Amino acid sequence: EPEVTQTPSHQVTQMGQEVILRCVPISNHLYFYWYRQILGQKVEFLVSFYNNEISEKSEIFDDQFSVERPDGSNFTLKIRSTKLEDSAMYFCASSKDRGEAFFGPGTRLTVL
Amino acid sequence: QQQVKQSPQSLIVQKGGISIINCAYENTAFDYFPWYQQFPGKGPALLIAIRPDVSEKKEGRFTISFNKSAKQFSLHIMDSQPGDSATYFCAASMSGNQFYFGTGTSLTVIP
Repeated sequence: EPEVTQTPSHQVTQMGQEVILRCVPISNHLYFYWYRQILGQKVEFLVSFYNNEISEKSEIFDDQFSVERPDGSNFTLKIRSTKLEDSAMYFCASSKDRGEAFFGPGTRLTVL
Repeated sequence: QQQVKQSPQSLIVQKGGISIINCAYENTAFDYFPWYQQFPGKGPALLIAIRPDVSEKKEGRFTISFNKSAKQFSLHIMDSQPGDSATYFCAASMSGNQFYFGTGTSLTVIP
């Protein structure tokens, strides 16, 4: 069964460093999302991406964040200068038709 | 502003019992209501979803009941099993845009 994959599973970085989180959505999906979940809290929307551009973003997704689909398969989230409060699980999700969204296993980001 | 309110925060059910988790929403433009199951260290997994044109949807032991006028929907897990122990999130979206998640319910099914 097709699934969303994410790498790395765990990323540790120093405050102020740049990180890139990678996702491979399900191959025939057209809509891509990033969400995050701070430990023990609810899942929060960051950004949605369709047709090679951002379709919606939340207040969390400020100038420090960017997304890219550099080729036909990868979807990346970049955080330019990480802060302590960026520590969270980051989930990529994809959807075929803006209905069912399938989530990846997540990347645990730890900012020291 | 909390778009989706979920209760209870935690739930303990005996094996074989019925688990019921409730959610309420504010925005009448929401048109898609999924439930996700999440195990520790894993991503949310889509369990079942409903659109507002039906009042109930059943898939195996899982049923969503939807009350459009009350702006509420609930997840019923029949014959709950220890393997169902997980965190459950309701969510709502409008035209496939961002999902607004509830705060989660930690379900424990005891043998």
